[in-house]
Amino acid sequence: ETGVTQTPRHLVMGMTNKKSLKCEQHLGHNAMYWYKQSAKKPLELMFVYNFKEQTENNSVPSRFSPECPNSSHLFLHLHTLQPEDSALYLCASSQDYGLAGGTGELFFGEGSRLTVL
Amino acid sequence: GQNIDQPTEMTATEGAIVQINCTYQTSGFNGLFWYQQHAGEAPTFLSYNVLDGLEEKGRFSSFLSRSKGYSYLLLKELQMKDSASYLCAGADSNYQLIWGAGTKLIIKP
Repeated sequence: ETGVTQTPRHLVMGMTNKKSLKCEQHLGHNAMYWYKQSAKKPLELMFVYNFKEQTENNSVPSRFSPECPNSSHLFLHLHTLQPEDSALYLCASSQDYGLAGGTGELFFGEGSRLTVL
Repeated sequence: GQNIDQPTEMTATEGAIVQINCTYQTSGFNGLFWYQQHAGEAPTFLSYNVLDGLEEKGRFSSFLSRSKGYSYLLLKELQMKDSASYLCAGADSNYQLIWGAGTKLIIKP
């Protein structure tokens, strides 16, 4: 496989469930990101990991918990979510964090469509 | 505050030319990105401008004016497959990307 792969593509969960989103990148990149995409709204950066270390946490509620076991894998653990958390969750990677070493192009996965009932 | 403005939706005809505008306000500036996102798919990189001027890449061109805080994406010889959302994003002084809400481009035969 190449690029950035996300699973599952679709997820429906109740507010009391616990689930996880998985992201894997096969590009040898050092930085990985979680974004939230809601209809007609700008992409919201949630978390950034650079060389497995979390460098950004943009005031994300604690019901979202990221995990980065190595530079190729990124998880987003979900628990006690709210209906307003329903959105498309996009994972992305880049060679480095910010523009160091290049144009900073982001490579996105196709996203996990989350519905919270 | 930091902000990116772009039109919500545009319609154009197959074979024609369309220009999608983007104005930005960022704390510092480290370049302007355009991404394309087809419905249900991942955003994909189109262009990056950090210097003033026009950069051409096949049917797509991107323009930047730093003094005006303005960019546009120009799509020529439109094809039906160009129907997508186009996302504008500016990089601030910390290289954080500030995203617009995207412009949905509808191509009609």
